[in-house]
Amino acid sequence: EVQLVESGGGLVKPGGSLGLSCAASGFTFTNARMSWVRQAPGKGLEWVGRIESKTDGGTTDYAAPVKGRFTISRDDSQNTLYLQMNSLKTEDTAVYYCTTVNDYYDRNGNYYYPQPFDYWGQGTLVTVSP
Amino acid sequence: QSVLTQPPSVSGAPGQNVTISCTGSSSDIGAGYDVHWYQHLPGTAPKLLIFGNTDRPSGVPDRFSGSKSGTSASLAITGLQVEDEADYYCQSYDNSLSGFNWMFGGGTKLTVL
Repeated sequence: EVQLVESGGGLVKPGGSLGLSCAASGFTFTNARMSWVRQAPGKGLEWVGRIESKTDGGTTDYAAPVKGRFTISRDDSQNTLYLQMNSLKTEDTAVYYCTTVNDYYDRNGNYYYPQPFDYWGQGTLVTVSP
Repeated sequence: QSVLTQPPSVSGAPGQNVTISCTGSSSDIGAGYDVHWYQHLPGTAPKLLIFGNTDRPSGVPDRFSGSKSGTSASLAITGLQVEDEADYYCQSYDNSLSGFNWMFGGGTKLTVL
């Protein structure tokens, strides 16, 4: 059974930093593309960023609101995904979810794009407040 | 601000059918990008409901179905049940913005009356 458990959330002042972790189990983490998605209070879901497997180059990409401030990394030996958040703003207040992002194919063998976020953790709350 | 537009809310009585729309443009759904749908009960992990426009992951009841046409997609729920009350999100990709742009619709709150 796929399990994703986020941790590290808490209260931080604007301009501060915080690091989140996501412990993964139940699948081959080394081969997995992973992502972070967040939900601000009373708002919808927002994609934060993704990281490819090291086999696929370990490429990272980020949503415009967090680019240059957030960094996603992974430790395949620990089956753990990380999100380092710097220069935090009040608008970064949200529940942060860790997700897997697997390839899915249609009947002709073509993969769907974008890929879906297929498994999600329960989330961890980050509050940025003076 | 989402470029995928969903109605903020829909409602229906148990047993009825509802449809949730996800309207995009020529730079996202209309460009051929696939659409996925999620169900989110507050306080829980979101759940993948429909992938690849029309496919259901194992375990998702066939009361849930997806479709896509032109610049829009839809999620249909037949035979509404009380436990279907949740927020629903569509997801796709937008190529009009610089960078890498996975994006969600604004979400639709389904109320089962």
